[in-house]
Amino acid sequence: NAGVTQTPKFQVLKTGQSMTLQCAQDMNHEYMSWYRQDPGMGLRLIHYSVGAGITDQGEVPNGYNVSRSTTEDFPLRLLSAAPSQTSVYFCASSYRVAKAYEQYFGPGTRLTVT
Amino acid sequence: AQKITQTQPGMFVQEKEAVTLDCTYDTSDPSYGLFWYKQPSSGEMIFLIYQGSYDQQNATEGRYSLNFQKARKSANLVISASQLGDSAMYFCAMRDGRGNTGNQFYFGTGTSLTVIP
Repeated sequence: NAGVTQTPKFQVLKTGQSMTLQCAQDMNHEYMSWYRQDPGMGLRLIHYSVGAGITDQGEVPNGYNVSRSTTEDFPLRLLSAAPSQTSVYFCASSYRVAKAYEQYFGPGTRLTVT
Repeated sequence: AQKITQTQPGMFVQEKEAVTLDCTYDTSDPSYGLFWYKQPSSGEMIFLIYQGSYDQQNATEGRYSLNFQKARKSANLVISASQLGDSAMYFCAMRDGRGNTGNQFYFGTGTSLTVIP
């Protein structure tokens, strides 16, 4: 198993550009989520999904869209990048929603918006 | 209001000694879960331990134990017999039942632990 994979590892965007951060898992996990990690602020939940076709907002959803058309993939779309979205983004997955705390994290994507 | 508070930005511990990392939480949901993650300098997040709000006993996983005091709303992590490899950031987190599908997660700001040889 490759586990949770994220692409790209690094990305630089200009203000106003859009892009999609990719996340995939090959463990047939129900639960997937996206976090951002900013210095001194810990991780904050952006969006999550409890299964294909079901998504919900986390703590900081503004400026981001998600969809879950398959169990394996959970892309995060930045609609119009802003410098405030400079952060490290982590995708995570868990086998069952009931055990969503046992999340496997991807390696992260470091995004800089200039 | 902060959902998860970690008041120790940095901690030092002598190798082989025990250390307690503090965590307090805030929720009005009667059903919630508390857990700890470790983030080494390499950046990956590693799940350590989980405590459910209805669990009667404190959770333990090897050298990790969670000191759960419900009335005080605290969920401190105790690491026994510290090893050099324990040097990392440690995050306390909580899941409560808010949101349409009841899976909101909140993380604290983290505690940086350094184990001294």
